[in-house]
Amino acid sequence: GQNIDQPTEMTATEGAIVQINCTYQTSGFNGLFWYQQHAGEAPTFLSYNVLDGLEEKGRFSSFLSRSKGYSYLLLKELQMKDSASYLCAPRSNDYKLSFGAGTTVTVRA
Amino acid sequence: GAVVSQHPSWVICKSGTSVKIECRSLDFQATTMFWYRQFPKQSLMLMATSNEGSKATYEQGVEKDKFLINHASLTLSTLTVTSAHPEDSSFYICSARGKLLAGVADTQYFGPGTRLTVL
Repeated sequence: GQNIDQPTEMTATEGAIVQINCTYQTSGFNGLFWYQQHAGEAPTFLSYNVLDGLEEKGRFSSFLSRSKGYSYLLLKELQMKDSASYLCAPRSNDYKLSFGAGTTVTVRA
Repeated sequence: GAVVSQHPSWVICKSGTSVKIECRSLDFQATTMFWYRQFPKQSLMLMATSNEGSKATYEQGVEKDKFLINHASLTLSTLTVTSAHPEDSSFYICSARGKLLAGVADTQYFGPGTRLTVL
């Protein structure tokens, strides 16, 4: 099985930077995904890390350390529309994703 | 980016009826499709995994006779909720795994979801 630990909630102001940490334990590892999910909607793909290091994609960056079972999602220049739940999802060797409860980010003006 | 569609977006049905949900990958061939269910304020729960041309693999606790999955092609998978009851009311989301470009690691994209309400 896979255990995923990320903070339940985070609050930040517009224009700020937020880092969402995620630790995981897997029985087989085949990459880690980050998704954004707005209330009442399906998750949307943000990033995918399979090797150690930082992947940058516009305002969002994701980091992975496989040996530590650790990843983070960095959100820069926060906008009100970034208020959502962020899901850390490690993938196992059978290509199944596991989801925790996610981190609810609230952006305030 | 990759597009995965689902139809219908929402459905209301009477208890005892069956409902079919379609999931399509629009611009890539999906090696595998996954079906999830999400109850309000809960995390996504994987129901089953389906590969084209083979039987679906169901997660523990998911009734395969109640949730029928057909994966007819590399771009289409269907989930049929048979004899639906109010407790089956939920948000059903499919995802498709595939490669957009040759040589690029495959990723996994979600459809927009189908909200099922059983009266």
